Amino acid sequence: SALTQPASVSGSAGQSITISCIGTSSDVGAYNYVSWYQQYPGKAPKLIIYDVSSRPSGISDRFSGSKSGNTASLTISGLQAEDEADYYCSSYTSNSILEAFVFGTGTQVTVL
Amino acid sequence: QVQLVESGGGVVQPGGTLRLSCAASGVTFKNYNIHWVRQVPGKGLEWVADIWYDGSNENYADSVKGRFTISRDNSKSTLYLQMNSLRADDTAVYYCATVWWLRGDYYFDSWGQGTLVTVSS
Repeated sequence: SALTQPASVSGSAGQSITISCIGTSSDVGAYNYVSWYQQYPGKAPKLIIYDVSSRPSGISDRFSGSKSGNTASLTISGLQAEDEADYYCSSYTSNSILEAFVFGTGTQVTVL
Repeated sequence: QVQLVESGGGVVQPGGTLRLSCAASGVTFKNYNIHWVRQVPGKGLEWVADIWYDGSNENYADSVKGRFTISRDNSKSTLYLQMNSLRADDTAVYYCATVWWLRGDYYFDSWGQGTLVTVSS
């Protein structure tokens, strides 16, 4: 089942926003393998956070991630116009017969 | 520079078949688990399937199990998705994405540009 994200979050330029990603004890709560992706319209997703809080090379330190229990969060500080995009969380999940990934429902970020 | 290029999308009737390809370059293909992820236009991402770096294991989402088959040819650095018994709800942009499983990664570090599959009569 998909991870739960707010459909939309907005903030003024320069402010900070936080996007939540609610999972279960079988995915987000079970592994420190939460990742976040940024997607512009008509484009492929782009990795911005992996392993809950790590940033790939070249990703601004304005993006940060955290996790508590079954809920992961992405914070964008110093919001900029270029941050206006869709954001998806993802988590690894596994049981005795299946290894898989599950995505969040997606959050549209608007910069006011 | 990793490049993934999907192809094979198009319009197909319900019940029909289609085979997608994902050609990789700039990467040691045989080191990566490769995944298919789809996205209904205007909607969210859905994990579809993956295949291990050596082709020894495959996993499928319940929504496609028994209808889709993932395969790879490491000699050609190419991933495939054979889609049978297609349904209207399979209509989506299909992305291939890499996971460097052998390094212990659990995230999609590179994505293709996607190929659109439309199932419609």
